[in-house]
Amino acid sequence: AQSVTQPDIHITVSEGASLELRCNYSYGATPYLFWYVQSPGQGLQLLLKYFSGDTLVQGIKGFEAEFKRSQSSFNLRKPSVHWSDAAEYFCAVGARGYSSASKIIFGSGTRLSIRP
Amino acid sequence: SQTIHQWPATLVQPVGSPLSLECTVEGTSNPNLYWYRQAAGRGLQLLFYSVGIGQISSEVPQNLSASRPQDRQFILSSKKLLLSDSGFYLCAWSVFPPGGYNEQFFGPGTRLTVL
Repeated sequence: AQSVTQPDIHITVSEGASLELRCNYSYGATPYLFWYVQSPGQGLQLLLKYFSGDTLVQGIKGFEAEFKRSQSSFNLRKPSVHWSDAAEYFCAVGARGYSSASKIIFGSGTRLSIRP
Repeated sequence: SQTIHQWPATLVQPVGSPLSLECTVEGTSNPNLYWYRQAAGRGLQLLFYSVGIGQISSEVPQNLSASRPQDRQFILSSKKLLLSDSGFYLCAWSVFPPGGYNEQFFGPGTRLTVL
């Protein structure tokens, strides 16, 4: 069965510093990979997605992620974080389900705090 | 453009009371619809999904049920709430394109507290 691991529960970085959030997945077929962001009390917003092709994908808000099949990883990066980036970040893998329903398996999330 | 609505935004209910949460999607037809629950400090747990009117699949046996009376309406219900039903409930939609896969888009969520 597919699974997603986000090994870091909570990360604190200084404003202006670079960021990398780790994500490892387990899935037997070609993975569909996502990063979502959730601000407190809000729904989830899609940051970026990987379906195929170029393994370095660009997303919104200056984020990017790199798919590495050999490492089963899809780490999220940003060269310089802003205070507004403080949020919960979820990595997810897509799974083809019954009657073409597109089910997504989410990691447990990484909470990002920004130090002024 | 597509939008997704959930209501109510916040709900406080006593143990044993019924529940009805509603989700509606605008701007798309025949979407796949999903209900998730997010417990405090935890990830998202898929509860139900639907690929069409009246078609409901349950992921986790529990105290809750779901219905899809219209193409773009998805309802989460319970006859008697338990303390463990407290959480943040998220509705999501996706469209499955021919030969492909598509991401899910989430609503703003409903915060349910059972006392």
